[in-house]
Formats: sequence, structure tokens, C-alpha cells
Amino acid sequence: NAGVTQTPKFRVLKTGQSMTLLCAQDMNHEYMYWYRQDPGMGLRLIHYSVGEGTTAKGEVPDGYNVSRLKKQNFLLGLESAAPSQTSVYFCASTTRRTGRMNTEAFFGQGTRLTVV
Amino acid sequence: GQQLNQSPQSMFIQEGEDVSMNCTSSSIFNTWLWYKQDPGEGPVLLIALYKAGELTSNGRLTAQFGITRKDSFLNISASIPSDVGIYFCAGQGSNFGNEKLTFGTGTRLTIIP
Repeated sequence: NAGVTQTPKFRVLKTGQSMTLLCAQDMNHEYMYWYRQDPGMGLRLIHYSVGEGTTAKGEVPDGYNVSRLKKQNFLLGLESAAPSQTSVYFCASTTRRTGRMNTEAFFGQGTRLTVV
Repeated sequence: GQQLNQSPQSMFIQEGEDVSMNCTSSSIFNTWLWYKQDPGEGPVLLIALYKAGELTSNGRLTAQFGITRKDSFLNISASIPSDVGIYFCAGQGSNFGNEKLTFGTGTRLTIIP
């Protein structure tokens, strides 16, 4: 089982360039999330999705866009990269079950992005 | 945006010592999760708590869901070198259908030789 797979694992961008980070999960999870992790800040939610075709803003959505065209994929886009977006980005997914909610999130390995 | 207050930020202990860390929130959560992150890896779930007052163990790890639903504790007994890493708490809101997870700022655990 691959679980949650993020691509690429590393990327260096120049200020103003654009890029898309891809998250793919093979667990048929309904919910997917994008977080960024900065030293001393823990994990901050950028955007999330509760199902195919739906997205919502998290804590720090500015400068990012997302799309969930297929249930298994969640894309994070940077239209015009800025040095403040230098960070490690994590994708996660969770399932939803009847009765007791199962919110155990499974994480990808992370994408280290540097904007110069 | 809301973040959980997690303490301590870092701990330096000797092998064999017990460890305690906690998270507090201004909001009520109906789920508390504890994760461990190793360098260069994504967080991995250690313990999940679903009910106020619940006490759950996973080997040498024990976590509790506070009665007020605004805090949670993680204890590690008899620490070993592989316990080194960053520990995160995460809480999920009480609104049905709100699966957003809010994370604490992490506790970095270091074992002194």
C-alpha cells in the first residue's frame, strides 16, 4: 500500500514562479488536507477538502490555491511564489466512518520548497 | 488561526527517564490525537482519544483526554533512544462534519547520552 504520496519531494523556485504540488492517496479517503510546517510553528492548515469537487480554506490560505477534481488527488498551487512560502508542505488524508468518527490522518513524506 | 498551546517546547532527558507533555486549547475538542515526527518524515499517529476522560495506552505511551475536553496529556515511560523526535498533539472540533485538525506547536524530545 502506497498510502499518501507527495510529489515532488524537493523544489527550489525563484520569486514569482508558479508550481503545483501533487498529493495522491490510494485509501479511498474522503478528506484531504494541505499543511505547511515551519520551525516553531507546528503544522498549519492551508486548505482542505471534504470530498471530490469541494475545497475550503484553512488557517493560512493566502497565496495558495487547491483543486480536488478526483477523489484520490489533491493539488496545491502557488501562482506567484514568495520567499515567505519557503516551508515543508505536508499532505494528509482521513476517512469518515459511521458511528465513532475516525479522524486518524495519514501523512505524506513532505515536500521541501525553497523560494529564492 | 487557532493553534493549540503545547508544552514544553523542548525536553532534554536521560535514557530511562519518564516524559510528560500536554496540550491546552481555548476550544472544546471531541477528538485528541498524538503524533510523532522523525526528521525528514511526515507525522505518524501514536494514540487517538475520542471521549472525555479517556485514558489510552500504546506500549510505553499513555495519553489522556481531559475532562474539560480542552486539554490532553501524553506520557512516555522509561524513554529509549528511538523516542527522540518531535511530538505533536492535534485536536478536532466538536461540530459534526468538521474534520479540520488543528495541531500544536510540538515538543522536541532529545535524549542526552
